[in-house]
Amino acid sequence: EIVLTQSPGTLSLSPGERATLSCRASQSVSSSYLAWYQQKPGQAPKLLIYGASSRATGIPDRFSGSGSGTDFTLTISRLEPEDFVVYYCQQYGRTFGQGTKVEIK
Amino acid sequence: EVQLVESGGGLIQPGGSLRLSCAASGFTVISNYMNWVRQAPGKGLEWVSVIYSGDSPKYADSVKGRFTISRDNSKNTVYLQMNSLRADDTAIYFCARGSTQLVDYWGQGTLVTVSS
Repeated sequence: EIVLTQSPGTLSLSPGERATLSCRASQSVSSSYLAWYQQKPGQAPKLLIYGASSRATGIPDRFSGSGSGTDFTLTISRLEPEDFVVYYCQQYGRTFGQGTKVEIK
Repeated sequence: EVQLVESGGGLIQPGGSLRLSCAASGFTVISNYMNWVRQAPGKGLEWVSVIYSGDSPKYADSVKGRFTISRDNSKNTVYLQMNSLRADDTAIYFCARGSTQLVDYWGQGTLVTVSS
């Protein structure tokens, strides 16, 4: 079973700064099967990125994904106030990482 | 419009059983990967199970042998039968439509609390 490890657990940044979130897989994952989600408090997760780098419908271009093999990255180029929530990576439509919380510094 | 509406959650004693339902609209469940994903209070997301035509249902190791996923195509509904419930099964259970690449639609979730 592939394990996804996200880092850091918590990222403290200010609005307007760049956020870089990491997702590392215990085995190689095809880029086609790596997705990122955003979850706001009290809500269901929302798809941000699929296929490691493709933005889902309606997702602002400040969100971007990259990576291959075992190392994947979600980048938020300029943090907006509504971006300070929790992010998860997922592989093969199943296993999730443990999440990264982006908090206001 | 795609909608997923879960129901059936509640308070149940350890060792008990519960069946969750997920009523879908705007698409057909038979043509899609239908998942259950759970989230314990204050914790992260945990994939639980998936059902898809043409393949056998899949389960997380933590629920294998205790949970069963099924669907009723005539009702366009997916179910999760949960037996031998334990305290660590306490979570919000989300129904979600997806594929091998992603999960694109989620329900609002239903809370299952396992406690005596």
